[in-house]
Amino acid sequence: DGGITQSPKYLFRKEGQNVTLSCEQNLNHDAMYWYRQDPGQGLRLIYYSQIVNDFQKGDIAEGYSVSREKKESFPLTVTSAQKNPTAFYLCASRPGAGSYEQYFGPGTRLTVT
Amino acid sequence: QKEVEQNSGPLSVPEGAIASLNCTYSDRVSQSFFWYRQYSGKSPELIMSIYSNGDKEDGRFTAQLNKASQYVSLLIRDSQPSDSATYLCAVNMYSGGGADGLTFGKGTHLIIQP
Repeated sequence: DGGITQSPKYLFRKEGQNVTLSCEQNLNHDAMYWYRQDPGQGLRLIYYSQIVNDFQKGDIAEGYSVSREKKESFPLTVTSAQKNPTAFYLCASRPGAGSYEQYFGPGTRLTVT
Repeated sequence: QKEVEQNSGPLSVPEGAIASLNCTYSDRVSQSFFWYRQYSGKSPELIMSIYSNGDKEDGRFTAQLNKASQYVSLLIRDSQPSDSATYLCAVNMYSGGGADGLTFGKGTHLIIQP
């Protein structure tokens, strides 16, 4: 089955710890994105990547890092520098040039205490 | 400042009626517009995209775009209880490359009353 997978579905961490969220797609999409969603809020862009080994900061990149070593994978690390890391994290992908529709994975709900 | 504005609701509509959801955006150069449906606790699901002025229909859904007024709407005909969800308006606010992510509104909570 083609799709976007995110793991884990729920993640609990102590304050001060770095945590890495997984995002994998087998749709052969070129572009991948990370968003976060807070209760009652719209999605906000953290990072995006159009091609392997290249990525750009979004609107709220501080305290986050990413890598894009493979086309299929775009992991997000939430570092201890992120002041309010508890949120619903959503990974999305887009086919590539000429197509602007983004498709979302199921999300990871991160709770930091 | 890139902004997408939606009425948060809740918008309550009787079953079988037409639900009308509205969205305005701030960036005049925006070219791509999307509607996502999000059920509670789930990720957004793309239901409509629109790129040109006018109407685009897909089943019970119609998206309407007016770039001069910077306004995009979603109509849901013959509303069903399963349509009860939060509807997110998203706009690709790019200056040319098409690479930037989407800017989302906060969503409108739609309730279809049986």
